[in-house]
Amino acid sequence: DQQVKQNSPSLSVQEGRISILNCDYTNSMFDYFLWYKKYPAEGPTFLISISSIKDKNEDGRFTVFLNKSAKHLSLHIVPSQPGDSAVYFCAVLGRDSNYQLIWGAGTKLIIKP
Amino acid sequence: DGGITQSPKYLFRKEGQNVTLSCEQNLNHDAMYWYRQDPGQGLRLIYYSQIVNDFQKGDIAEGYSVSREKKESFPLTVTSAQKNPTAFYLCASSPGASGGAQFFGPGTRLTVL
Repeated sequence: DQQVKQNSPSLSVQEGRISILNCDYTNSMFDYFLWYKKYPAEGPTFLISISSIKDKNEDGRFTVFLNKSAKHLSLHIVPSQPGDSAVYFCAVLGRDSNYQLIWGAGTKLIIKP
Repeated sequence: DGGITQSPKYLFRKEGQNVTLSCEQNLNHDAMYWYRQDPGQGLRLIYYSQIVNDFQKGDIAEGYSVSREKKESFPLTVTSAQKNPTAFYLCASSPGASGGAQFFGPGTRLTVL
């Protein structure tokens, strides 16, 4: 039973527009949420995170939004650039997971020129 | 400069052979992790270690073994008991044992012939 779901396997966005990646989770006890970016045949790179006491965290072109009532997490990238083309994973952790990361299946983002 | 190294990047083995994947970090991180990634899937945790000389099974530990004799090293052995060993293997570390952002190595692609 998946505790973290990324329902869109892929997403195609025009360069310069906003990319919105979504993630849903099932356990309200999760208290830390992370986004990772991964290029093929490389390890994931940490992108941005948010704790459950906040609903928004911003870092340059990247903003993460947390809606605790909906158990929904989203990553906004604006403006989207060709180098943003990658697979994006959301990951969560909390007391119930013994503070180990639980990963979504990933969303492949394709930025079209 | 600090980081996590995995070697080799590509590894080929015959069916029935044990193989050991190397992971070294010089970040002085307490916790280290091994994940497996299969096409179209997220990362699945094999083993993790929060402290030297101690490690715990992850979600898919069967057919794998690890050791943590030194803080900076966490080798993974893929044994002949692992039914589908061909995959991309990722090692990660985090500063504390209680989770948080993990930092990944470049990965090892293991192909069993």
